[in-house]
Amino acid sequence: DVKVTQSSRYLVKRTGEKVFLECVQDMDHENMFWYRQDPGLGLRLIYFSYDVKMKEKGDIPEGYSVSREKKERFSLILESASTNQTSMYLCASSLWNGAVYQETQYFGPGTRLLVL
Amino acid sequence: AQKVTQAQTEISVVEKEDVTLDCVYETRDTTYYLFWYKQPPSGELVFLIRRNSFDEQNEISGRYSWNFQKSTSSFNFTITASQVVDSAVYFCALRGSNYKLTFGKGTLLTVNP
Repeated sequence: DVKVTQSSRYLVKRTGEKVFLECVQDMDHENMFWYRQDPGLGLRLIYFSYDVKMKEKGDIPEGYSVSREKKERFSLILESASTNQTSMYLCASSLWNGAVYQETQYFGPGTRLLVL
Repeated sequence: AQKVTQAQTEISVVEKEDVTLDCVYETRDTTYYLFWYKQPPSGELVFLIRRNSFDEQNEISGRYSWNFQKSTSSFNFTITASQVVDSAVYFCALRGSNYKLTFGKGTLLTVNP
């Protein structure tokens, strides 16, 4: 079974803090993704990575950065947390099998971040 | 541009009722994949099914079934004899010829005992 884990289920931070959200997958997947989920807005893609040290912006990258130094780990960084970044953050991974649209994304349990 | 519409925001049923969750999609791609995910209160999105655009056969897995109709751009999900454990938010998603997985807004299903 695919296993995607996230470092925290709940996190409380203060405005202006630097926040790291960690995601680890154990299935040797090439692709990893970060989404945020908000009521009424659904899931929105922040960033994704298709290889180590490679990254692409998603729909809402502003205020976020990412790091992928190892294949199994993909970090989301909030450089200076703001209250509008209070959200549920979901990490996902998928296998590259030669055709991008075939990939199934498998999700982690999510991190509920509250920025005060 | 891709779009997924789940018109039902919330559905409430009584246990053992059948329930259908609607999903309508838009895409210009001729090859694409459709997905359904379940998100229980714990928060994790659980993958349920993936179908490609060339396979319109209905799929059945236990109490779950999916009806894919290209003519109406729909990929509906039916739960037969619903159970309380089916209570969750269900998401339909579409992936075309690029990396992006487009999600619908989700349908909150509540199954009451």
